[in-house]
Amino acid sequence: DAGITQSPRHKVTETGTPVTLRCHQTENHRYMYWYRQDPGHGLRLIHYSYGVKDTDKGEVSDGYSVSRSKTEDFLLTLESATSSQTSVYFCAISESLGRAASYNEQFFGPGTRLTVL
Amino acid sequence: TQLLEQSPQFLSIQEGENLTVYCNSSSVFSSLQWYRQEPGEGPVLLVTVVTGGEVKKLKRLTFQFGDARKDSSLHITAAQPGDTGLYLCARLNLGDSGGSNYKLTFGKGTLLTVNP
Repeated sequence: DAGITQSPRHKVTETGTPVTLRCHQTENHRYMYWYRQDPGHGLRLIHYSYGVKDTDKGEVSDGYSVSRSKTEDFLLTLESATSSQTSVYFCAISESLGRAASYNEQFFGPGTRLTVL
Repeated sequence: TQLLEQSPQFLSIQEGENLTVYCNSSSVFSSLQWYRQEPGEGPVLLVTVVTGGEVKKLKRLTFQFGDARKDSSLHITAAQPGDTGLYLCARLNLGDSGGSNYKLTFGKGTLLTVNP
């Protein structure tokens, strides 16, 4: 299994509080991703990173920010949590495969279940 | 956003039955991946298909990529309770070289339940 951990695994918080989720990898992969998974919506990309300090928005980035100060860590921050951000959050990693880019595989962490009351 | 439509959304069958799930889009895929997600875990890659008409087999699972590269199917023969899970298709978006590469867009998935 790819070395990806997420912390915390479960969190309950109140509306308006800041929340930071951490993704840590031991694979030295270049790309890291944050997704949220909700019933009826599948997996949706929030933000991703293509290198240290290099990040970009995904399809549902409003209300979220990210930071990547070193290769192994990718942080997702909810500045002021809302009930609509109650979800399961997955981190994923992948590596550039050059000419084999079409076969690029993403490896997923175990997920963080976040409840915003 | 180029949508991926998966069908059916839910499927409940008995052990030993065969089934097919589908992944469709109105646009051409550069490549398509199938993932399986078990309850409480993250998705795990099953296969990647790249060439139109390509067929790949993984034990009792057969994956097909449409000739026009706009659709794909997953067929399971003699389903077993261990096949239970969420099956997700995902297309790889190869954008500009500045960093849009290697993004996946997922379909909403087919939730399969195989009853003993």
